[in-house]
Amino acid sequence: ETGVTQTPRHLVMGMTNKKSLKCEQHLGHNAMYWYKQSAKKPLELMFVYSLEERVENNSVPSRFSPECPNSSHLFLHLHTLQPEDSALYLCASSQEWASGSGGELFFGEGSRLTVL
Amino acid sequence: GQNIDQPTEMTATEGAIVQINCTYQTSGFNGLFWYQQHAGEAPTFLSYNVLDGLEEKGRFSSFLSRSKGYSYLLLKELQMKDSASYLCAVMDSNYQLIWGAGTKLIIKP
Repeated sequence: ETGVTQTPRHLVMGMTNKKSLKCEQHLGHNAMYWYKQSAKKPLELMFVYSLEERVENNSVPSRFSPECPNSSHLFLHLHTLQPEDSALYLCASSQEWASGSGGELFFGEGSRLTVL
Repeated sequence: GQNIDQPTEMTATEGAIVQINCTYQTSGFNGLFWYQQHAGEAPTFLSYNVLDGLEEKGRFSSFLSRSKGYSYLLLKELQMKDSASYLCAVMDSNYQLIWGAGTKLIIKP
């Protein structure tokens, strides 16, 4: 139990569907992240929120849309995805962003996404 | 470009010692991190090095040489539960984490 909870753990969707991934952290952290993890590839940072403000958006296609309503919750809205978007999507939090403590991330278990 | 290199896979024997190397080329340096990820689970933080030298934490130690752009994670008295992927990440001058692809460690009895 890392203090970061993600739902759903598994998701199968067609290319025309709209779905959302949810993340909640119970650690009182100020920064939250979405990462994409594909087999045998480095973790890819997608989005960073610090104190509910988006601070990083690493050239992610617009079919991925993040939302951070408060410092404890983070969503990733998905629409018209492609099969190559199938991956494990990890949410993480850290005490602060853009500091040494920003490298100590607490990850959720991930949402395994399959796009048909 | 920025780059982190670590071996794709390593095999070791239960009770032995294994060293997982990580070399990096990044724009600036604000620390090096090691994470452990068991199959199907979340990565968990293992260690943080920002100064040269060895940091020891129980059976695990992490070493850093900033001048060589090099780190290693040393695991002693290996146990079957140490079978996992080990991820090396470097924080660059913009406080971005640059990740390696991970080293899958297989422990054999």
